[in-house]
Amino acid sequence: NAGVMQNPRHLVRRRGQEARLRCSPMKGHSHVYWYRQLPEEGLKFMVYLQKENIIDESGMPKERFSAEFPKEGPSILRIQQVVRGDSAAYFCASSPRTEKASPLHFGNGTRLTVT
Amino acid sequence: GDSVTQMEGPVTLSEEAFLTINCTYTATGYPSLFWYVQYPGEGLQLLLKATKADDKGSNKGFEATYRKETTSFHLEKGSVQVSDSAVYFCALSEANTGKLIFGQGTTLQVKP
Repeated sequence: NAGVMQNPRHLVRRRGQEARLRCSPMKGHSHVYWYRQLPEEGLKFMVYLQKENIIDESGMPKERFSAEFPKEGPSILRIQQVVRGDSAAYFCASSPRTEKASPLHFGNGTRLTVT
Repeated sequence: GDSVTQMEGPVTLSEEAFLTINCTYTATGYPSLFWYVQYPGEGLQLLLKATKADDKGSNKGFEATYRKETTSFHLEKGSVQVSDSAVYFCALSEANTGKLIFGQGTTLQVKP
């Protein structure tokens, strides 16, 4: 059973370009969470999605950031007009949410560098 | 809102030393508690969890007990190895969404 797959592993963008980060959850998992990790910091929650629905986007910046999890295909985190402060590691996690304490399973992340 | 506080690192120990990483939380209700470990360049891996008061989670020699009275979930290991060097994150699970709220992480370095 493949784990959570994220691609690309590394992404370099110039200021003003768009970044698209992809996440394929584990088989059978319909709940996806995105987190951002800044250098030397912990993980900050960004958004929680179920198939075709955004459930909680309380951690998403109000502008330039969006996320989707379509019926078919991976979840996408999209950052428009990137700035240097967007440089970070972005992690996706998935869960089946079949029990109270269903753990989140994390991918290896996408490391975004904005030059 | 809910939050998690971990002891600051880095923590540097010699091989076979005893490890404690403190973690306390603030939450409404009774969240589930987790410890995750992150090795360099990788994502987070679940280390152990506890779902209710007095539960003890354990895995690979690591243990943590859910203490409701002190709102704590300290991580312990009796004898660390060089291979335990990593960043350790304490987290609580928000009941209605399942999202995890993380502490800032504690870097552990074990020297031979």
